[in-house]
Amino acid sequence: AQSVTQPDIHITVSEGASLELRCNYSYGATPYLFWYVQSPGQGLQLLLKYFSGDTLVQGIKGFEAEFKRSQSSFNLRKPSVHWSDAAEYFCAVGHNDMRFGAGTRLTVKP
Amino acid sequence: GAGVSQSPRYKVAKRGQDVALRCDPISGHVSLFWYQQALGQGPEFLTYFQNEAQLDKSGLPSDRFFAERPEGSVSTLKIQRTQQEDSAVYLCASSLATGEDGNQPQHFGDGTRLSIL
Repeated sequence: AQSVTQPDIHITVSEGASLELRCNYSYGATPYLFWYVQSPGQGLQLLLKYFSGDTLVQGIKGFEAEFKRSQSSFNLRKPSVHWSDAAEYFCAVGHNDMRFGAGTRLTVKP
Repeated sequence: GAGVSQSPRYKVAKRGQDVALRCDPISGHVSLFWYQQALGQGPEFLTYFQNEAQLDKSGLPSDRFFAERPEGSVSTLKIQRTQQEDSAVYLCASSLATGEDGNQPQHFGDGTRLSIL
């Protein structure tokens, strides 16, 4: 069965510092992988997706993620975090019955 | 409209009451999905439709949960005889297509926060 693990429940970084959010997945075939961001009281906004091809995927707001099949990982990165990036981040895998991780809450220190 | 619209935004009900949650997908979107998000958790898949056909309802937690999309557009999620454990945010998403063409991402509404007293 497909599943997603986000090992970090909460991460705090300073504004301007780099960021990496971890995601590990379990999937029987070539996975469709996603990162979503959720602000309080809001729905989920798609940051980026991976279906096939280049394993380094560029998304919106300066985010990127790298698919590593050997490690079953799809970590999200950003070189310089802005205060407005503070939110909850979800990794997800699948097609129609998409499975989400439990999320990582990002706090940005001024 | 420009995005997925869900109503009401907030719903409070007493245990045992029936509730109905509405989702208006993006115009022209074929696929529609429902998720349940408990406090502090990621969304959990409930069910999805392709047009009016409910193709997967494996995530519905019990037979008290029922979803429909009779004309292939608006969808309603109904919960009968609500229990306290039904308290959660219910998210709806829509996409242009489904199936093996996963190149169509899901667009989410802001959700309905359901509280059962």
